[in-house]
Amino acid sequence: DAGITQSPRHKVTETGTPVTLRCHQTENHRYMYWYRQDPGHGLRLIHYSYGVKDTDKGEVSDGYSVSRSKTEDFLLTLESATSSQTSVYFCAIRGGIGTEAFFGQGTRLTVV
Amino acid sequence: QQQVKQSPQSLIVQKGGISIINCAYENTAFDYFPWYQQVPGKGPALLIAIRPDVSEKKEGRFTISFNKSAKQFSLHIMDSQPGDSATYFCAASKPSYGKLTFGQGTILTVHP
Repeated sequence: DAGITQSPRHKVTETGTPVTLRCHQTENHRYMYWYRQDPGHGLRLIHYSYGVKDTDKGEVSDGYSVSRSKTEDFLLTLESATSSQTSVYFCAIRGGIGTEAFFGQGTRLTVV
Repeated sequence: QQQVKQSPQSLIVQKGGISIINCAYENTAFDYFPWYQQVPGKGPALLIAIRPDVSEKKEGRFTISFNKSAKQFSLHIMDSQPGDSATYFCAASKPSYGKLTFGQGTILTVHP
């Protein structure tokens, strides 16, 4: 398995609270991505990074922010969690454009 | 706007049969078309991928057929096995930043 670790693996939080999910890689890959997976929608891109401190929005970025202060870590923050953000979140890494993307094992987030 | 449409949503096949999953895309800038397999509790894993300069790619029992003019591509699983039971996602990406756009997913069940 590619060296990707997501934490936590499971989290239950209350509406309105801030939540941070962490993606840690040991592959020194340049590109990192956060996706959310929901039934009927496949995986949708939230935010991505193309280098340290270089990030941009994906198709479903509202309510989310990210930070990448080191090559190996990509953080996803829900500033004020809502029930619509209940989902499974996947981090992915990629060494270069057109190369294989490797996914983490996911974080199941429930907002009650 | 769903840029990659996948069908069927679910598929049941007998052991030894052929499983076929179809995808259609809209954006002609896409230049990389991977298929991912996902088992419960895990992230998606790359199965096979194709670029639009070829019409077919085969790896073992898995074949991608690509029709550039129709903007469609499909996954064929020959001699389907119970171990192939999983969710399959097609995806597409453009050269910029390697962001993947996923189809909605197909739940494949192979009966013994």
